[in-house]
Amino acid sequence: GQNIDQPTEMTATEGAIVQINCTYQTSGFNGLFWYQQHAGEAPTFLSYNVLDGLEEKGRFSSFLSRSKGYSYLLLKELQMKDSASYLCAVVDSNYQLIWGAGTKLIIKP
Amino acid sequence: ETGVTQTPRHLVMGMTNKKSLKCEQHLGHNAMYWYKQSAKKPLELMFVYSLEERVENNSVPSRFSPECPNSSHLFLHLHTLQPEDSALYLCASSQVGPEAYNEQFFGPGTRLTVL
Repeated sequence: GQNIDQPTEMTATEGAIVQINCTYQTSGFNGLFWYQQHAGEAPTFLSYNVLDGLEEKGRFSSFLSRSKGYSYLLLKELQMKDSASYLCAVVDSNYQLIWGAGTKLIIKP
Repeated sequence: ETGVTQTPRHLVMGMTNKKSLKCEQHLGHNAMYWYKQSAKKPLELMFVYSLEERVENNSVPSRFSPECPNSSHLFLHLHTLQPEDSALYLCASSQVGPEAYNEQFFGPGTRLTVL
């Protein structure tokens, strides 16, 4: 079957760095998304990786290793507004998105 | 504001009621989706419409009935729901095709409570 694994919850301190990991086993691979979802709101796009390596976008970076079935989202200079759930999703061979359960990130002052 | 709107934002209904959820996208996309989001579970894809044709329904119970009258509008008709159907229902749209990578844009969701 298809499976996306990410930690359920993480806690970090304001101003620090946090890495959220995602491992996947899917039928085919056509890219990986990271979305951010604040409580009670819609998920919003953060990043897309289809080739191995690191994609940097401001304070957020996303890394992909296709051979290891692994990705991470790196958040730097954490702010209180970064408290949210972070969803990992993989595009499978049918171009459908397979979603992880999300990682709830709690930022403490 | 993502360009995808949903109404109502909140809905409380009894098990014998009939109601409909509405979604509209203003992005010119050719695919629309209904998802169910329950606490601490992955997003569950319920229905996909691509070019106004339903392409997948993922064994969703028949008490959920989708309708896609055109590429901009999507409905989810609800009848005789169960308490376990209480969840956040999210609509999304995307552009699918050779040059697209299927980034999905989500509406704000409808928080459904079944009593």
